[in-house]
Amino acid sequence: NAGVMQNPRHLVRRRGQEARLRCSPMKGHSHVYWYRQLPEEGLKFMVYLQKENIIDESGMPKERFSAEFPKEGPSILRIQQVVRGDSAAYFCASSLPDRGIGTQYFGPGTRLLVL
Amino acid sequence: LAKTTQPISMDSYEGQEVNITCSHNNIATNDYITWYQQFPSQGPRFIIQGYKTKVTNEVASLFIPADRKSSTLSLPRVSLSDTAVYYCLVGDEASGTYKYIFGTGTRLKVLA
Repeated sequence: NAGVMQNPRHLVRRRGQEARLRCSPMKGHSHVYWYRQLPEEGLKFMVYLQKENIIDESGMPKERFSAEFPKEGPSILRIQQVVRGDSAAYFCASSLPDRGIGTQYFGPGTRLLVL
Repeated sequence: LAKTTQPISMDSYEGQEVNITCSHNNIATNDYITWYQQFPSQGPRFIIQGYKTKVTNEVASLFIPADRKSSTLSLPRVSLSDTAVYYCLVGDEASGTYKYIFGTGTRLKVLA
C-alpha cells in the first residue's frame, strides 16, 4: 500500500511566482489536511478538505493561499505571488472519514524555498 | 482558542524510560488522543492513539486519566534513534470548529 505522496519534494520559487503543491492521499482515504511547518517550529494546521469540499480553512492565510481536493486527482495547495515568509515545509496528511478515531497519515512534505 | 501544552525539550540516557505529558483542557468528547514522532526533514509518524485509561503497543504506552485533560506518552528503554520531536494531537472543541491542533512538540534528546 502506497502511503501519502507529495510532490515536488523541493520547490524553489522567486518572489511573486506561484507555487503548486500536490498531495495524493492513501488509498481509501477521502479526507486531506494541509499543515505548514516553519524552521524549528511545530506544525500549524492550514486546511481540512474532503472530496470537492473545504471543511475547515480557518488556518489558511486570507490572501494568496487556496486549496482544493477535486473529485479526481490529487489535492492541490496553491500559493500565489509567493514571498520569502512562505518558505517552509508543507505537509499533507490523509485519513479515513471518521474524524474521532481517524488517524492522520503524513506525507514526506514539500520544502518550499522562496528566493 | 484551546491549545495543547507540552514541555519544550527533554534529555534522557539510553535505556531509560521517558514520559512526555501533554495538557489538553478542551478535548472533544468523542475525540481520541494521538501521538506522533518527527525526525528532521521528515513527515510526522504515527506512534500511538487512545481514548481513555491505558493503551500499549510495540513501541510505546499511552496513559490517559479519567478526566482526559492530559495524556502521557511513555517510551520504554529509549535508544539514540528515539531522538526526535514528539507531538500530541487532539480535537479542538472550544473554538467551535473541529480542528486538529498539534501540541508545541517536545524535543527529546537521547544521550549515550
